[in-house]
Amino acid sequence: GDSVTQMEGPVTLSEEAFLTINCTYTATGYPSLFWYVQYPGEGLQLLLKATKADDKGSNKGFEATYRKETTSFHLEKGSVQVSDSAVYFCALSDPYNNNDMRFGAGTRLTVKP
Amino acid sequence: DAGVIQSPRHEVTEMGQEVTLRCKPISGHNSLFWYRQTMMRGLELLIYFNNNVPIDDSGMPEDRFSAKMPNASFSTLKIQPSEPRDSAVYFCASSPRGGPGSTEAFFGQGTRLTVV
Repeated sequence: GDSVTQMEGPVTLSEEAFLTINCTYTATGYPSLFWYVQYPGEGLQLLLKATKADDKGSNKGFEATYRKETTSFHLEKGSVQVSDSAVYFCALSDPYNNNDMRFGAGTRLTVKP
Repeated sequence: DAGVIQSPRHEVTEMGQEVTLRCKPISGHNSLFWYRQTMMRGLELLIYFNNNVPIDDSGMPEDRFSAKMPNASFSTLKIQPSEPRDSAVYFCASSPRGGPGSTEAFFGQGTRLTVV
């Protein structure tokens, strides 16, 4: 079945460092791909998405490109801030598989001043 | 729209008691998901519905767990009897069904369940 594998955490960075969180997927159809963010004590919020190959999703300085050839959707940010500290989830939704939505295990990011 | 609404936000119960978690999805959304989140196992999909019909319940841990969606605006997740290992945060999410690009999920704030 469909699945998502993402880089294990935790990840600790200094402010203004470059961030990469790797994500790869397995799907039977042509999924949409997402990154969600979860701040402490809250539910998951959509950060960005891409719906077809070579699409780039971006929001709040974060970017991820849908790479069909490598089945990847890595999250990047050029300069992280303390306020970016959260748990990040990669996810896929397969509209050709009954809208099944699967999440990776999550990667906890801590940014230190 | 107020978003996905879950109740209660917190629940503390004794082992063996029945627990019912409630969810009101966003109006017009056709898909509804129940997830469980723990430190050990991360975010697990328990069950999801399309148009009120359960599509995949393979994530439901055991027969003590059951979920219903009697109509498009309400769903419940029931645990009977509850056990301490059921302690977790339970999230409900809904999604507008459709073709590619319209399937992002919107999450509720979660219910933090503690079974003592």
